Amino acid sequence: KQEVTQIPAALSVPEGENLVLNCSFTDSAIYNLQWFRQDPGKGLTSLLLIQSSQREQTSGRLNASLDKSSGRSTLYIAASQPGDSATYLCAASNSGYSTLTFGKGTMLLVSP
Amino acid sequence: GAVVSQHPSWVICKSGTSVKIECRSLDFQATTMFWYRQFPKQSLMLMATSNEGSKATYEQGVEKDKFLINHASLTLSTLTVTSAHPEDSSFYICSARRQGFGANVLTFGAGSRLTVL
Repeated sequence: KQEVTQIPAALSVPEGENLVLNCSFTDSAIYNLQWFRQDPGKGLTSLLLIQSSQREQTSGRLNASLDKSSGRSTLYIAASQPGDSATYLCAASNSGYSTLTFGKGTMLLVSP
Repeated sequence: GAVVSQHPSWVICKSGTSVKIECRSLDFQATTMFWYRQFPKQSLMLMATSNEGSKATYEQGVEKDKFLINHASLTLSTLTVTSAHPEDSSFYICSARRQGFGANVLTFGAGSRLTVL
């Protein structure tokens, strides 16, 4: 059974800092891995999707990497902004049937 | 872009009553919809997979008679929490897989917060 862990659970940084969020998964036979953003009391916004054959994906100031052999993914946020404050979730999928296993998330606070 | 609407966004009900939550894909057809719930400071947990025109598949530990799922059309799935109790208070989120697109192209609803008194 896939298990996903995210570290740290919470992170507070001043505006402008570069930061890394970590995600680890126990079953390396993943189909893909996704990073989501969740604002308080809201649904999810998909940020990046990395297929199992890929090593990284980039979107603007976000870069996500995937290392299946070590069971790890990282989300790198460059030049953080207060608007980046949210909970970031990673989710692993072990098949093409779209069932996702989520981590508990990292709550990010970027202070002005 | 693909939009999934959930209604209601929040609901408060008395213990013992039933609550229905709707999940609609507004501009696409969804052959499959997923229902998740999220307790405070916990992961989203998949409750069930709903396929249009067939019975939902429930995850282990989720009572199918308590959480009734109906996916009667390609744009609507409903989750009914029957005889709700305070421990059912949670954030319920649905996601929809767009027909004809990649397997993991999912669109999530904004969620529905249920509080059972």
